Amino acid sequence: GENVEQHPSTLSVQEGDSAVIKCTYSDSASNYFPWYKQELGKRPQLIIDIRSNVGEKKDQRIAVTLNKTAKHFSLHITETQPEDSAVYFCAAGSGGTSYGKLTFGQGTILTVHP
Amino acid sequence: EAGVTQSPTHLIKTRGQQATLRCSPISGHTSVYWYQQALGLGLQFLLWYDEGEERNRGNFPPRFSGRQFPNYSSELNVNALELEDSALYLCASSLDRTGELFFGEGSRLTVL
Repeated sequence: GENVEQHPSTLSVQEGDSAVIKCTYSDSASNYFPWYKQELGKRPQLIIDIRSNVGEKKDQRIAVTLNKTAKHFSLHITETQPEDSAVYFCAAGSGGTSYGKLTFGQGTILTVHP
Repeated sequence: EAGVTQSPTHLIKTRGQQATLRCSPISGHTSVYWYQQALGLGLQFLLWYDEGEERNRGNFPPRFSGRQFPNYSSELNVNALELEDSALYLCASSLDRTGELFFGEGSRLTVL
């Protein structure tokens, strides 16, 4: 089955700095790569996603890049703010009968210091 | 519009007992997914229901089961509870096969 590795497990940055979280996946059939943010005691919420026919996607301060050949994708947060502090999860999924069966990484605890 | 709702918020059981968790998807969503989030770990896929049918299942033993009702709400049953079943159980729904999952706040199950 699919296996998703996420690094680093913790990341501490100063406000205004950039943060990068990286994930690798094993199943070449995976074609959907979402990123979820989970604040303490809250539900995971989708912040950005990318599909395998696209190499990069941006949404304001957040961007995701995908390298299908190397089977890795990354989340980039620029101009970090204290409210960006949360646990971030990457995930990989595919369509067909596996739709909805996302395989998640172990999460990255991001702390943004004011 | 109400999001995905789950009940109970917290549940405490002892080993060997059964637990039932409930989920109501966002109105109009027909697919419901269950994930387990154990402490310090990522989310593990449990079950996917769509149009009342179980469509896919994760690597969990048969004592994890569930169903989806005609109104698309769902329940997750865990039989013969074990200590390692202690976790946050998250339900999610989606509008269609576009990918985005909308999660509920979760039900925290503690097995003593």
